[in-house]
Amino acid sequence: GAVVSQHPSWVICKSGTSVKIECRSLDFQATTMFWYRQFPKQSLMLMATSNEGSKATYEQGVEKDKFLINHASLTLSTLTVTSAHPEDSSFYICSARENWRTDTQYFGPGTRLTVL
Amino acid sequence: KQEVTQIPAALSVPEGENLVLNCSFTDSAIYNLQWFRQDPGKGLTSLLLIQSSQREQTSGRLNASLDKSSGRSTLYIAASQPGDSATYLCAVSSNDYKLSFGAGTTVTVRA
Repeated sequence: GAVVSQHPSWVICKSGTSVKIECRSLDFQATTMFWYRQFPKQSLMLMATSNEGSKATYEQGVEKDKFLINHASLTLSTLTVTSAHPEDSSFYICSARENWRTDTQYFGPGTRLTVL
Repeated sequence: KQEVTQIPAALSVPEGENLVLNCSFTDSAIYNLQWFRQDPGKGLTSLLLIQSSQREQTSGRLNASLDKSSGRSTLYIAASQPGDSATYLCAVSSNDYKLSFGAGTTVTVRA
């Protein structure tokens, strides 16, 4: 149980285009999901907390207009990288927290974004 | 702001040797601490979770200790195998359940 999926697993896009990444909790409901990014050989940095039915909470330094987050249902959160540039190339990982258990996050397999 | 440091950054050992991975954090007001494994280009696999009130957790060949007052945790992997080669990440959870990650220790176990 407690499986989180991400789609796509990798994507290559041209500079200036927008890319949407989906994060789904497959067998549990998640009011709260988290989005992280990871640069090569670096750790995960929390970008934002996604809350179902309300606005996401962004960490300091993360542009909310660039990284649009929508959490429209209890099993799906999406991250849209708008007007992507090469410096947005990174590994994006989401996690989801079960509603009844607040101390554990289950992580998705990640999405590799390459912006040309 | 919570700062998490992992030492060493990389470790190479022969098969069968025990592994000792260190994690330190600056703010002792944590909710819990987790150790994760990450294979290249992959997501995270949770290995052990230690609540702030606990001092250690064990799972098979893995044992993790927590000294909250000194801001330290150690992950021990007994009798290492080539399949243990991966990057190991330490993460601490604050009371708002946000995770702060260390940069990881990349382990190579030589056959």
